[in-house]
Amino acid sequence: QVQLVQSGAEVKKPGSSVKVSCKASGNTFNSYAISWVRQAPGQGLEWMGGIIGIFGTANYAQKFQGRVTITTDESTSTAHMELRNLRSEDTAVYYCARSSGYTYVNNWFDPWGQGTLVTVSS
Amino acid sequence: DIVMTQTPLSLSVTPGQPASISCKSSQSLLHSDGKTYLYWYLQKSGQSPQLLIYEVSNRFSGVPDRFSGSGSGTDFTLKISRVEAEDVGVYYCMQSIQFPLTFGGGTKVEIK
Repeated sequence: QVQLVQSGAEVKKPGSSVKVSCKASGNTFNSYAISWVRQAPGQGLEWMGGIIGIFGTANYAQKFQGRVTITTDESTSTAHMELRNLRSEDTAVYYCARSSGYTYVNNWFDPWGQGTLVTVSS
Repeated sequence: DIVMTQTPLSLSVTPGQPASISCKSSQSLLHSDGKTYLYWYLQKSGQSPQLLIYEVSNRFSGVPDRFSGSGSGTDFTLKISRVEAEDVGVYYCMQSIQFPLTFGGGTKVEIK
């Protein structure tokens, strides 16, 4: 049973950056795409972007283009999501989720990480 | 982007009674491969979302058969035949036919 374990909660100042990690158990890490989904307090789910491990290519939602970078480290079966130039509106729980296939289109998400709360406050 | 619209926003259900949630997409989710890429997730309080239904009507592993999904094209429905206390939470539909992936706004299900 694959599990995704995320890094711990972060408190950041506006204008700074945060890097959240997502470590997968199992040995087929790059066979599946990893996406990042965020949830602001009391709000719904928002797909930020994802990475197709076998190609090493990432895609980002337009809203986050230029501010987010998603990478993977196959040697440690870990995906990372870095969000730059943080503002208060970025306060949210950030989830990683594995796709059911090598890409995120035409596939579902399972499993999900436990979520990482990022708080942006001066 | 494909807009996913869920109704109602919230639902209060007596245990043992049915519940139904609607999800409408701004574009057809029917792919040229014949599959329709519409999913349902449940997020219980304080937890990560969990997959219930994939490709409109297929229950995911371990999902009770009181959950069923139906629909086609742009109109979809999730039904719970007899709501139980453990079904409370927020239900989301999601499309993955087109990048970027998008979610509905969520439907909160409570027990009366």
